[in-house]
Amino acid sequence: EVQLVQSGAEVKKPGESLRLSCATSGYSFENHWIGWLRQMPGKGLEWMGMTYPADHDNRYNPSFAGQIGLSADKSIATVHLQFYSLKASDTAMYYCARHKGAGYCSTANCWGFGVFDFWGQGTLVTV
Amino acid sequence: IVLTQSPGTLSLSPGERVTLSCKVSQRISNTYLAWYQQKPGRAPILLIFGATNRATGIPDRFSGSGSGTDFTLTINSLEPDDSAVYLCHQYWSSPWTFGLGTRIEIK
Repeated sequence: EVQLVQSGAEVKKPGESLRLSCATSGYSFENHWIGWLRQMPGKGLEWMGMTYPADHDNRYNPSFAGQIGLSADKSIATVHLQFYSLKASDTAMYYCARHKGAGYCSTANCWGFGVFDFWGQGTLVTV
Repeated sequence: IVLTQSPGTLSLSPGERVTLSCKVSQRISNTYLAWYQQKPGRAPILLIFGATNRATGIPDRFSGSGSGTDFTLTINSLEPDDSAVYLCHQYWSSPWTFGLGTRIEIK
């Protein structure tokens, strides 16, 4: 059974750093892109970026580039979302989600990826 | 790519049928349009992928259709548990984007 289990809720102060985790199981970890998504209170879902554990390829939404970092630890089948310097506007629910399949990427963009088929339960971050 | 969903909110009775709209700002292949159900404080649940394919375990009351820039989700025989926000999502061209959703309240 595919599972994505996220780390617990966080309360942080502006300027602090934070790392969220998404532990996966039940499938071949290295061979699926994992995305991170933000949902601010009462707002829609925003794709932040994604990571490919097999070769540590990371792709970022330009809206979030420079503010976050993505990584994957193959030894424990876990991906991480790093915030470098939190702001009050980072208060949101954060989800990790698995891409069902991969598409292709150029330097700047990606196309034709698989749907997000499995999701973590979400991590609430309050800044 | 911008996804515009309508209507914003619906209040319906059990047993009714509803059709939700998702208009995409540029043509995308049907293969890359999905629908999700999201309840408050919970992660989205995949309902439909590839515009028309039901995800595993999703009842056939839920169906998707459309092509190009216009896509729809139809829910037949609404049940109380269908109260939720329904989101459309394109995964053709990054950054992947979502509509703001249609909220369905079951009276």
